[in-house]
Amino acid sequence: DQQVKQNSPSLSVQEGRISILNCDYTNSMFDYFLWYKKYPAEGPTFLISISSIKDKNEDGRFTVFLNKSAKHLSLHIVPSQPGDSAVYFCAASAGGSNYKLTFGKGTLLTVNP
Amino acid sequence: DSGVTQTPKHLITATGQRVTLRCSPRSGDLSVYWYQQSLDQGLQFLIQYYNGEERAKGNILERFSAQQFPDLHSELNLSSLELGDSALYFCASSVDGFGGYTFGSGTRLTVV
Repeated sequence: DQQVKQNSPSLSVQEGRISILNCDYTNSMFDYFLWYKKYPAEGPTFLISISSIKDKNEDGRFTVFLNKSAKHLSLHIVPSQPGDSAVYFCAASAGGSNYKLTFGKGTLLTVNP
Repeated sequence: DSGVTQTPKHLITATGQRVTLRCSPRSGDLSVYWYQQSLDQGLQFLIQYYNGEERAKGNILERFSAQQFPDLHSELNLSSLELGDSALYFCASSVDGFGGYTFGSGTRLTVV
């Protein structure tokens, strides 16, 4: 049973436009959510997180939105750059910390120049 | 360089064998996490150690074991290897608590 789902295996956008990556979760105990970016032959790199007490968190070009009632979160990248091309993983945990993250299967983002 | 060092980077071994994967956490980090990424699965949490003690366990097989040593490095031992154990094994570390982990670049294990 997949508790964190990223339903789009891939996404392609033009440089300068907005990239929106989506993630759904089923476990109502999840209260802390993170996004990671992964380049080939490297480990995942932490991007941004959000606690369930918030519905939005911003860090530079990256914004994460959380809709608890829909059990849905999204990552917005504005503006998208070719260097953002990577696999993006959504992850969630319960208990308000980063213990035992449950990851989605990832979305491959390609930003075309 | 993330500061988390995993060795070896690649490992090819035969079924039934035993291997040890090593992880040195980022300086100052007390928690070490192990994750498995196979082709058809996302990153699966295996186990977490904090300052030498096991703190959380995920879907780790009984054939697998781990430990964290006094110098905080960690080893993941995989025994009686099967073809299905072929995967990328990631180690991550954190100071603990909130925020994201720092991952190493992984060990690619191929069981033939």
